[in-house]
Amino acid sequence: EAEVAQSPRYKITEKSQAVAFWCDPISGHATLYWYRQILGQGPELLVQFQDESVVDDSQLPKDRFSAERLKGVDSTLKIQPAELGDSAMYLCASSLAVNTEAFFGQGTRLTVV
Amino acid sequence: GESVGLHLPTLSVQEGDNSIINCAYSNSASDYFIWYKQESGKGPQFIIDIRSNMDKRQGQRVTVLLNKTVKHLSLQIAATQPGDSAVYFCAETSGNNRLAFGKGNQVVVIP
Repeated sequence: EAEVAQSPRYKITEKSQAVAFWCDPISGHATLYWYRQILGQGPELLVQFQDESVVDDSQLPKDRFSAERLKGVDSTLKIQPAELGDSAMYLCASSLAVNTEAFFGQGTRLTVV
Repeated sequence: GESVGLHLPTLSVQEGDNSIINCAYSNSASDYFIWYKQESGKGPQFIIDIRSNMDKRQGQRVTVLLNKTVKHLSLQIAATQPGDSAVYFCAETSGNNRLAFGKGNQVVVIP
């Protein structure tokens, strides 16, 4: 069964360091999402791609976060510099198109110390 | 393991009983809704979806009801099993195509 792949599963980094997460969506899915989930809360959208283009990054803290999907397939989310408040689960999801089923990966659990 | 259920409304249900989880949304322009199940330490898992031109949709042991008049969504789980213990989220999209999540509900199945 096709699934969204994310790596790493867990990451511990010191504050002020750079960290990157990788996502490989389900093959053929044009829409890719990055979410952040703080313990006990629902996922919050950081950025949404349609193919290689960003269609929504209004909630992305652009002073330290960046995301790219250069070839419209896999994607990288970067944080530089990391802050203690960035500790969370970072989830990637993909769908064939907007307003269709979105499938999530297992996430990357980030701990900033 | 970690718990994603901290500070969440909790529904405790006896194994074999039916569960009903509710979700209120505020955007009357929302036209697509999804229910997700999230187990501790894992990503959300798609359960069932419904579009705004419908008011009911059924899956295997699950039914989603949509009341657009009062902007209310519910998920019914028949014959709840221990494996149904998780946090359940509703999500919606509207004209901006952003998939937004509501607050979760923790379901605890008592054997």
